Amino acid sequence: QPVVTQEPSLTVSPGGTVTLTCASSIGAVTSGYFSNWFQQKPGQAPRALIYTTSNKHSWTPARFSGSLLGGKAALTLSGVQPEDEADYYCLLYYGGTRVFGGGTKLTVL
Amino acid sequence: QVQLVESGGGLVKPGGSLRLSCAASGFTFSDYYMSWIRQAPGKGLEWVAYVSTTTDSIIYYADSVKGRFTISRDNAKNSLYLQMNSLRAEDTAVYYCARGGLRWVDFWGQGTLVTVSS
Repeated sequence: QPVVTQEPSLTVSPGGTVTLTCASSIGAVTSGYFSNWFQQKPGQAPRALIYTTSNKHSWTPARFSGSLLGGKAALTLSGVQPEDEADYYCLLYYGGTRVFGGGTKLTVL
Repeated sequence: QVQLVESGGGLVKPGGSLRLSCAASGFTFSDYYMSWIRQAPGKGLEWVAYVSTTTDSIIYYADSVKGRFTISRDNAKNSLYLQMNSLRAEDTAVYYCARGGLRWVDFWGQGTLVTVSS
């Protein structure tokens, strides 16, 4: 079972920019891993933000963007808002297996 | 609008069984892969299982539940199921029904809590 690694925690100032990353234990993340990103706030179900590396759902705010960066999947938040404080999870597809990262707790301070 | 409503969670003893259901509405259920994803208290997300558009086609289970859990769907009833047998304490989690599973997941239900404890 591959292991997917995310930063445990990050802190960003309101209006700032932050990049969360998602690494695979078996090598560089490519578009073939169809990376997805999800946001989860306390007491709520996760909400999908990004699919297949960089595609946004219709409800995804424009300040969220997905990419591949240095062999990892990445989620960049530009112009961070206080309501972006949440846990963020990436998901990678390994053929039949789907593996979530451990999540990044984003604090807006 | 898309709605996914889970039910069937509760308290069960180790070794016991439980069947979760997910009622889908607001979309053509038979057109979509469907998945179960769980989250232990205070922990991250874990993919449990997914099923393609028909139960006879493609099914995947996480190693942690293989041989104990069975995913199925009834397209006529717009429903997804998860039969959970031989439950263990480590299966305690909120179980989410989610639309998708091939290359993306978009909509999630609110989840149902399963607690395995004596």
